[in-house]
Order: sequence, then structure tokens, then C-alpha cells
Amino acid sequence: AQTVTQSQPEMSVQEAETVTLSCTYDTSESDYYLFWYKQPPSRQMILVIRQEAYKQQNATENRFSVNFQKAAKSFSLKISDSQLGDAAMYFCAYRSAGGSEKLVFGKGTKLTVNP
Amino acid sequence: KAGVTQTPRYLIKTRGQQVTLSCSPISGHRSVSWYQQTPGQGLQFLFEYFSETQRNKGNFPGRFSGRQFSNSRSEMNVSTLELGDSALYLCASSPGPEDGYTFGSGTRLTVV
Repeated sequence: AQTVTQSQPEMSVQEAETVTLSCTYDTSESDYYLFWYKQPPSRQMILVIRQEAYKQQNATENRFSVNFQKAAKSFSLKISDSQLGDAAMYFCAYRSAGGSEKLVFGKGTKLTVNP
Repeated sequence: KAGVTQTPRYLIKTRGQQVTLSCSPISGHRSVSWYQQTPGQGLQFLFEYFSETQRNKGNFPGRFSGRQFSNSRSEMNVSTLELGDSALYLCASSPGPEDGYTFGSGTRLTVV
């Protein structure tokens, strides 16, 4: 079974600075998808960024980018120019490419942005 | 474009009762999944439905059941509620296997 590990329960960053959230996963599959979701206090999970395992190029969405290291099974999220609205729980998630669309989540990292 | 709608947003039930939660996916999304979120266990997968068929089920007791209707709306039911069933229940829909899920705001269930 696949597992996802987020080793940082909490992180903090100063407004306008850059922060990196870590995620590692374990799988024997070669094709899969990885996601970062954000959950603010409003509790709705919001998709931040996604990465297909077969693509070597790291995904980027505005201020959010990932560092995908397939061999190391690492998928970190970098937030540049942090804003107060970035404060939330961040979850890393894994999904197989075939069959089930079930998401396997990490435990999450609580990000605090200090003004 | 309307998002994923979950009703009700909050629910308080007594141990032993049963509860039904509803989820309306984004129009055109045929895949619907349910997750349970608790502080101790985090986010755990409950069910996955596609075109009215359950494709996958998580490691939950038989008291947890679900279904999907022809219009893709989905319901989940929990019978004989236990205190440990208190959680945020999240529904998510997806247009296809290559897309990420869009989540609803969840139903906060409290069992007393």
C-alpha cells in the first residue's frame, strides 16, 4: 500500500519570504499523480498544484512550485513571496494512475505566515 | 460554475442513531469520493463512485455505506453511530482520472 509522509507538523514564514514544505511517499508503482492541497480554517480543501510522475518537469502555478524527485520519492512544495492568505494546513496526496482514483494523504503541515 | 455542495454543513446526532450525508458534484463530474477527517487519523478514504458503481471502498466497518445516483449526486450513510464517528466528512468530485479532485466544504458530524 502507498504511504505519504509529511515530516513537518508545523512551519512558519515571514510575509514575502519563501518557504518549502516537505513530502515523501512510498510506492512500487511507476505511474501516479501527486498533489498538494491547501485547507484554510474554512475547511474546504483547495487544489494547489499537481504533478504527473511521468513528467520530469516540475509543475509551477504562479507563486507555487514543486521539486519532484522521482527516484528519491520526494515531492516538496515551495511557496514564494508568502502572503497572509497562504496560512493554512497543507496536505500532500498520492493517487495511482490506473484503476482507483483514491487519494492517499499525508498528515499535513500547518503553515503560519507572520506579518 | 457551482462547486461541490455538501449538506448539511453541521449535524449533531446521538449514539445509536443513523445519519445520511449528501453530496452534489460539479456538473459533468461523474467520479465522487468521500473522506473522513479527524485530528487523530487525518484524512481517510471512505468510498469512490463512478457512474453509480462503487469502485473502491476504504477500511471502514459495514456501518458506513454509500451510493451514487444517475445524476451523479451521492449520499453516504452511517448507521448505529458511535462517538468515534465524530468527524468532518468531505466529498470530492473529479471529471476524470488525470484531474485533481474538487472538494466540498464538508459536513461536520458530532456524535454525543
